Amino acid sequence: DAMVIQNPRYQVTQFGKPVTLSCSQTLNHNVMYWYQQKSSQAPKLLFHYYDKDFNNEADTPDNFQSRRPNTSFCFLDIRSPGLGDAAMYLCATSRDPLRETQYFGPGTRLLVL
Amino acid sequence: AQTVTQSQPEMSVQEAETVTLSCTYDTSESNYYLFWYKQPPSRQMILVIRQEAYKQQNATENRFSVNFQKAAKSFSLKISDSQLGDTAMYFCAFMKPESSGDKLTFGTGTRLAVRP
Repeated sequence: DAMVIQNPRYQVTQFGKPVTLSCSQTLNHNVMYWYQQKSSQAPKLLFHYYDKDFNNEADTPDNFQSRRPNTSFCFLDIRSPGLGDAAMYLCATSRDPLRETQYFGPGTRLLVL
Repeated sequence: AQTVTQSQPEMSVQEAETVTLSCTYDTSESNYYLFWYKQPPSRQMILVIRQEAYKQQNATENRFSVNFQKAAKSFSLKISDSQLGDTAMYFCAFMKPESSGDKLTFGTGTRLAVRP
C-alpha cells in the first residue's frame, strides 16, 4: 500500500550526539512536513519542503535541519540533541499545497540519554 | 496566529453510545480548513474528517460527523455507535492554505476511551 514510512520507530541517542531520522513516501506527494510532538502536547510544525523549496518555521531551533534529496525521502537532522529534544517526530505529506489533506507516518520516538 | 483549544483532556464512552468531542479555534482568516485526526495508541495519526470553512453543510463520514459553527468558531466531533477501535487520542486541527505548503495547527488532544 502507498504510505508514509518512518525509520526507525524508536531512536536512542546520547546528549550532543548527532542523529538523523528518516521519512519516505510512496504517494509521490510534493510536500513533506516534519512535526515535533512532545509528551501530552500537540504536534508542532518544524519545517516543510514543497518540492525542493525548504520552509523553516520561525521558532524552529537552529539545531534542527532537514534534507530532501528526492521526492520520496526527507531527513530530519538534529545536530546536537539535548534532553529537551526527546519527543515523537512525525513526518507528513500532502500532494500539493492549498487545501490538501496531510497524511502522517507512524512517527519516530527519540530518547536522549 | 491561529490557536486551537480542546478543553476535554480525557473522555470515556460506553460501547455503542454516542460521544461528542469539543474544539474551538481562533483565527482572523476567512479561508481555512478544519480537521479531526485520530491517533490510536502506538499507531499513526489518520484523518477522521475534514471541513471546508466556506461550506455551510456539516461534514459526515459514516459514524463520524461534525457540528461546525463558523460564527462561534466551534468544530465539535460526534462519534455515533462507538466501537472499541475508536479508542485513541483525537486531535482537532486548523489549516490555513498557503502556496508554499499548508500549516496545521493542532489542539492538545482529547484522549477517548471506549468501554466494553
